[in-house]
Amino acid sequence: DAKTTQPPSMDCAEGRAANLPCNHSTISGNEYVYWYRQIHSQGPQYIIHGLKNNETNEMASLIITEDRKSSTLILPHATLRDTAVYYCIVRPRGGTSYGKLTFGQGTILTVHP
Amino acid sequence: DSGVTQTPKHLITATGQRVTLRCSPRSGDLSVYWYQQSLDQGLQFLIQYYNGEERAKGNILERFSAQQFPDLHSELNLSSLELGDSALYFCASSVDLLVFSTDTQYFGPGTRLTVL
Repeated sequence: DAKTTQPPSMDCAEGRAANLPCNHSTISGNEYVYWYRQIHSQGPQYIIHGLKNNETNEMASLIITEDRKSSTLILPHATLRDTAVYYCIVRPRGGTSYGKLTFGQGTILTVHP
Repeated sequence: DSGVTQTPKHLITATGQRVTLRCSPRSGDLSVYWYQQSLDQGLQFLIQYYNGEERAKGNILERFSAQQFPDLHSELNLSSLELGDSALYFCASSVDLLVFSTDTQYFGPGTRLTVL
């Protein structure tokens, strides 16, 4: 599985956009980029995923660069409840390692009032 | 609420004991996954079941075992417990590994195990 690199921590002001980067320079063509977050020891929460096109849902937007070597998760209007650890995960579309999610250290996002 | 339920929420036991953690997947989900989160190891995949059969194994100790029952709920059995087994144990479920190429896992609230 491709490895991901994320900054260990980031700060964001409430109401502003939070842009969380992820580097996955060794990603292969059949691997998706997934984002999860974990709020204070709760179960990880699915946010969004994508293959090569930008994606948007009610929670966030995912911007994947054209070469697919990096991506950015955007929370358009961060709130205090968005304070969490955010995990960027690269996951193959098939194969024997398809099932598991490999979590790294993630980025601790702190949203300030 | 992800729709995945786990019981118990908290479990305190002694070294050498055996415990069983239970997971009920979302309605309609056929795959169940178990993960362990400890302070020093982070979130790690343990094992996956699909429709009652073991599908994939991760860093699961031999003292640990799991099964998925005909009603699709799953149990994780931890035996000969050691202090280092203290952790959060999460269960996740997904619809169908084989059919959907973008199979999203939804996590339960976890069971916090403390071994004294």
